[in-house]
Order: sequence, then structure tokens, then C-alpha cells
Amino acid sequence: GAVVSQHPSWVICKSGTSVKIECRSLDFQATTMFWYRQFPKQSLMLMATSNEGSKATYEQGVEKDKFLINHASLTLSTLTVTSAHPEDSSFYICSARVEGAPYNEQFFGPGTRLTVL
Amino acid sequence: SQQGEEDPQALSIQEGENATMNCSYKTSINNLQWYRQNSGRGLVHLILIRSNEREKHSGRLRVTLDTSKKSSSLLITASRAADTASYFCAAQGGSEKLVFGKGTKLTVNP
Repeated sequence: GAVVSQHPSWVICKSGTSVKIECRSLDFQATTMFWYRQFPKQSLMLMATSNEGSKATYEQGVEKDKFLINHASLTLSTLTVTSAHPEDSSFYICSARVEGAPYNEQFFGPGTRLTVL
Repeated sequence: SQQGEEDPQALSIQEGENATMNCSYKTSINNLQWYRQNSGRGLVHLILIRSNEREKHSGRLRVTLDTSKKSSSLLITASRAADTASYFCAAQGGSEKLVFGKGTKLTVNP
């Protein structure tokens, strides 16, 4: 099946620094990827839809200048958390849509746990 | 909020018993999907049911969908300790976005 990877799997950073998280589709091309965040013991909330070669579409309430998304190739999308603060600590999960798949099927990465000190 | 609700929020059963989780959603859908998440890990797709389907089976999983009530249920039969995880429903409407429910944390005791 389609495999999506994320790197790093976890990261600890100091408040005020920026952190980049990568999402890769390993065995398929993905023009569309999605970024979610998940707080402890809560559900996934869609942050933004990442489109290859164009600007990301952000959900209401998500600061696009804080969460920079770049989908520069058909297999890679990156999420950069800029000037991270402790409240940005969360589990970030990406998914990639398989082109031509029925029901716009998405495959999820294993997630990246961000801890901001 | 577009997010649906799941109940129960937590469920603890003995191995061999059946586990039933319910999900409600708020928008019209094309399909509803169920996912499993082990602690601190990514999501694994379990099963998808289309809006014109009422019931679907996959191995020990049985999903029902009632679009008039905007609800779905996931039944896991003959549960195993390895089924311990959080289970989420996700509603997919006209766009490709998935709107996730709050999840049910299932613990299966050996």
C-alpha cells in the first residue's frame, strides 16, 4: 500500500525557534497533502491543505504566517512552525491523497511530536 | 464546529467480548471512514462506508451507517488485546477534507 513518512518523528526545541517537519509520499506521487494537529487525548484537526506548486489552503483560525507550508514536489510537503511557543507543542500528522484513488483516499504519516520548551 | 462526536469516549472490555463504538457527524457526507490510532502513532485506515450503504463488513469489523440520524457505529467482534487503541470516525463530504470525531479509546484486557 501507499506509504507516507514524516521526519523527524519527534523534536524538542526552545521557544522562539523554528522547526521544519517533512512529509513524504514514498511510493506514489501526491499533488495534495494535508496537515493535521492533535493535542493529547483529542482528535485530529485539519490545519491546511497543501497543493503541489501552489499556495496552501489554511483552515479558519490557523495562522498561515506561523505555520508555513511548502509543497515543492510531488512527493514532499514541509510544515515549518515559526517562532514556536509552548502552546504549539502538539502531535503533527500529515496525509497524502493518492491520485485517482476512489473516495480521494488519504494515507497518513506516523506523526511528529513537537515539544517546545 | 464541524467535528463529530464519538461515544463512548473510553471503553474497557475483556478479550473475546465485542466492542461497539458510535459516531455522529454534522454535515452531509459522501462517505464515512473509521481509523485506528495506537498511542502516539499515525492513523491506520480500517474501513470506508459510502453514503448509500447501510452496513459493511471487513474481517472482525462491522460498520453501520444511518444517514437520517447522521450516525455510524463500529463493531469489533471477538476483541483481542492487540485491538487496544483509539478509534476515530472521519466524515468526508463534497470536498476531500476529512472531519474527524473525537475518538473512542478502547482497552481490551487479556
